[in-house]
Amino acid sequence: QQKVQQSPESLIVPEGGMASLNCTSSDRNVDYFWWYRQHSGKSPKMLMSIFSNGEKEEGRFTVHLNKASLHTSLHIRDSQPSDSALYLCAASRAGNTGKLIFGLGTTLQVQP
Amino acid sequence: AQTIHQWPVAEIKAVGSPLSLGCTIKGKSSPNLYWYWQATGGTLQQLFYSITVGQVESVVQLNLSASRPKDDQFILSTEKLLLSHSGFYLCAWSLTTGGDEQYFGPGTRLTVL
Repeated sequence: QQKVQQSPESLIVPEGGMASLNCTSSDRNVDYFWWYRQHSGKSPKMLMSIFSNGEKEEGRFTVHLNKASLHTSLHIRDSQPSDSALYLCAASRAGNTGKLIFGLGTTLQVQP
Repeated sequence: AQTIHQWPVAEIKAVGSPLSLGCTIKGKSSPNLYWYWQATGGTLQQLFYSITVGQVESVVQLNLSASRPKDDQFILSTEKLLLSHSGFYLCAWSLTTGGDEQYFGPGTRLTVL
């Protein structure tokens, strides 16, 4: 069973719309959550990280974390066609030699 | 600024042939280094990590090996490729472990026929 589960598997939103992506870890010892974006044929680039309960906003991107439920979500407002990509959630533990466990990802398509 | 370079960009190899992929980090001393594998349409799986020269730890056994001959160089290799080795190989670095962002290189696309 995947230790980091993401939903939905794929998502289509209209340009200017809001995209909401979810991620949950089944490892209760996780300390950090990461959101990476990977455009087709390219390498992943980190979008946002969150380590403590609450919300963090950077431009059009907002990430939430509930540590009790080990659930994080990424929200993209005013979605653009350039946001179309694979979004990967990853989790890691403190001092665990940098082991990142990735989910299977959510493929986002923003339709003009 | 740190730069990460991977070579080759792409490779087509026959089953049973050897493989060597390379990764170089410039502009950062003593980084932590990682190798990842991504099957087509799949997620990323960490294969190896290295905290210092000469020391490499295996995370997943895929009939591959890794070495860190220099502080800024990480090599992934095998003597005999399998069809299942096809995919996208990514090298990454971070400052330390745990709470530091991992920065990925451009990747090497491997096709095994």
